[in-house]
Amino acid sequence: RKEVEQDPGPFNVPEGATVAFNCTYSNSASQSFFWYRQDCRKEPKLLMSVYSSGNEDGRFTAQLNRASQYISLLIRDSKLSDSATYLCVVGVTGGSYIPTFGRGTSLIVHP
Amino acid sequence: EAQVTQNPRYLITVTGKKLTVTCSQNMNHEYMSWYRQDPGLGLRQIYYSMNVEVTDKGDVPEGYKVSRKEKRNFPLILESPSPNQTSLYFCASSSLGGTLSHTEAFFGQGTRLTVV
Repeated sequence: RKEVEQDPGPFNVPEGATVAFNCTYSNSASQSFFWYRQDCRKEPKLLMSVYSSGNEDGRFTAQLNRASQYISLLIRDSKLSDSATYLCVVGVTGGSYIPTFGRGTSLIVHP
Repeated sequence: EAQVTQNPRYLITVTGKKLTVTCSQNMNHEYMSWYRQDPGLGLRQIYYSMNVEVTDKGDVPEGYKVSRKEKRNFPLILESPSPNQTSLYFCASSSLGGTLSHTEAFFGQGTRLTVV
């Protein structure tokens, strides 16, 4: 079983829709969680960190569920410019640190 | 401007011809790493470094070497490239917090390597 799993999609949604992605992780010792955005053939860029209490940044909301070992990303009022691949990153801190990337979820927002 | 710089951006080479992809960061980050990205497989870590002279294997280290002689530089070396190393490569760096907590990773713009 892969350590970090994401539904590859694509999620095909109309402008204005609300869409949610989940990312499950297998290592219960994981302590750091992030969502990155990657546009086609470009480098990933941090979208937002995921805190235990959940956090919101404009139209984006990230949540962590430690009991079920998943993180989620909710995008409200989708824009055409939200079309991209969303990568979740899970890391275990302390000692040797290896952040593990999910394979990404592709989002396509259409007019 | 905080950045991670990779060179070259594009490279076509022949099997067996040694090559080096350079990576440099100007943020004084301790942690640097190399990834390759292939369709359907996502980002896979090749090697990482926690600090100068400290390197370790990631998930897919075979066929690659790295060195960390200076904090800012982390070159990726392919001693004898093969066609299965054709991929998109990313270098990344991040700071290690006081409790080794991971902070935001900054990525280079990527190197598209083709080995024929």
